[in-house]
Amino acid sequence: DADVTQTPRNRITKTGKRIMLECSQTKGHDRMYWYRQDPGLGLRLIYYSFDVKDINKGEISDGYSVSRQAQAKFSLSLESAIPNQTALYFCATSDPGALQFFGPGTRLTVL
Amino acid sequence: EDQVTQSPEALRLQEGESSSLNCSYTVSGLRGLFWYRQDPGKGPEFLFTLYSAGEEKEKERLKATLTKKESFLHITAPKPEDSATYLCAVLKGFQKLVFGTGTRLLVSP
Repeated sequence: DADVTQTPRNRITKTGKRIMLECSQTKGHDRMYWYRQDPGLGLRLIYYSFDVKDINKGEISDGYSVSRQAQAKFSLSLESAIPNQTALYFCATSDPGALQFFGPGTRLTVL
Repeated sequence: EDQVTQSPEALRLQEGESSSLNCSYTVSGLRGLFWYRQDPGKGPEFLFTLYSAGEEKEKERLKATLTKKESFLHITAPKPEDSATYLCAVLKGFQKLVFGTGTRLLVSP
């Protein structure tokens, strides 16, 4: 079984809709991250969490929010989706040595 | 401003044709450099971590090296299954990675 899972894997939605992307991990790591990946821009950090009570904004947090429901679960929400949020979204966890393990990604399309 | 620049953006090789990918960085407080491999539609997979200038790591046909300003990923006698996007990331501060935009490698039989 995969150590980091993301649901859904693909989602098509319309402008203005609320969307939640979910991430679960079985690696027992405290640190979790959300990234988005766009062609030509690489991976950019949206939010990160060092434990259940710690949430931090990354470089592109505007338009996004997160919830850390448990050590193993970290959700990303788009309160009102817009087309330029169309991207590939990745969740990751990291071990104490900062090595990050990525999930399989969610492809989100906002029409 | 922290920057990680990878070159070339794309590289096409014949099977067996060795080459190198470059990752240059201007990041304050560097604490390590990571190389990842990403296949289409999948999440990045860890390859190497380098922590200090002069350090080298090897895995099969891949070898990563690090200087104070850049890292190289050397690919020796590549095979078609080495085709992927290779990502470089610099560890800044506590547990934050700054990624480059990647090099897309295509190895033809």
